[in-house]
Amino acid sequence: GAVVSQHPSWVICKSGTSVKIECRSLDFQATTMFWYRQFPKQSLMLMATSNEGSKATYEQGVEKDKFLINHASLTLSTLTVTSAHPEDSSFYICSATDRGAPPSGEQYFGPGTRLTVT
Amino acid sequence: AQSVTQPDIHITVSEGASLELRCNYSYGATPYLFWYVQSPGQGLQLLLKYFSGDTLVQGIKGFEAEFKRSQSSFNLRKPSVHWSDAAEYFCAVGVRTNAGKSTFGDGTTLTVKP
Repeated sequence: GAVVSQHPSWVICKSGTSVKIECRSLDFQATTMFWYRQFPKQSLMLMATSNEGSKATYEQGVEKDKFLINHASLTLSTLTVTSAHPEDSSFYICSATDRGAPPSGEQYFGPGTRLTVT
Repeated sequence: AQSVTQPDIHITVSEGASLELRCNYSYGATPYLFWYVQSPGQGLQLLLKYFSGDTLVQGIKGFEAEFKRSQSSFNLRKPSVHWSDAAEYFCAVGVRTNAGKSTFGDGTTLTVKP
């Protein structure tokens, strides 16, 4: 149980275009979904926290107009990278907390999306 | 605010040898503690977690970790490492009042020599 999927697993886009990444909790309802960015050989950097039906909370330094997050349902959150540039190339990982579990920080992670902007 | 330190950036062990990965946290109360493993190009998989109770917790793949309040540590151990254990390991701390957020350490890269 507690499976999180991400789509696509990898994507290449041209500079200036936008790309959408989906994060789905497959067998549970997610109270909260998190979006992380990970650079090679580094830890996860939390970008934003999203709750169903409300605006995402962005971490300091993350451009909310560039990284649009929509959390339309208890099982789906999307991250749209707008006007992508090569420096946005990275590994993006989402995670979710189970609505049926006590709030503990335990997160279920998706497999990640490799974004390359050319 | 809580913080997590993983003092070892890179550890190399021989296959069959024992392993200990260190994790120290900073938080005023008892935190929730986690160890995750990440293979290259993959998401994170939960190895084990500590919420309360027995301070020695067992996880998947033969891993265990011990919560030591006096040392603010939550070290991960495995008695005999397999080549497939080579990966990145992250320690994380969560707190009840933090809306489910966790703070992650910088990770330890484990290399297993044949």
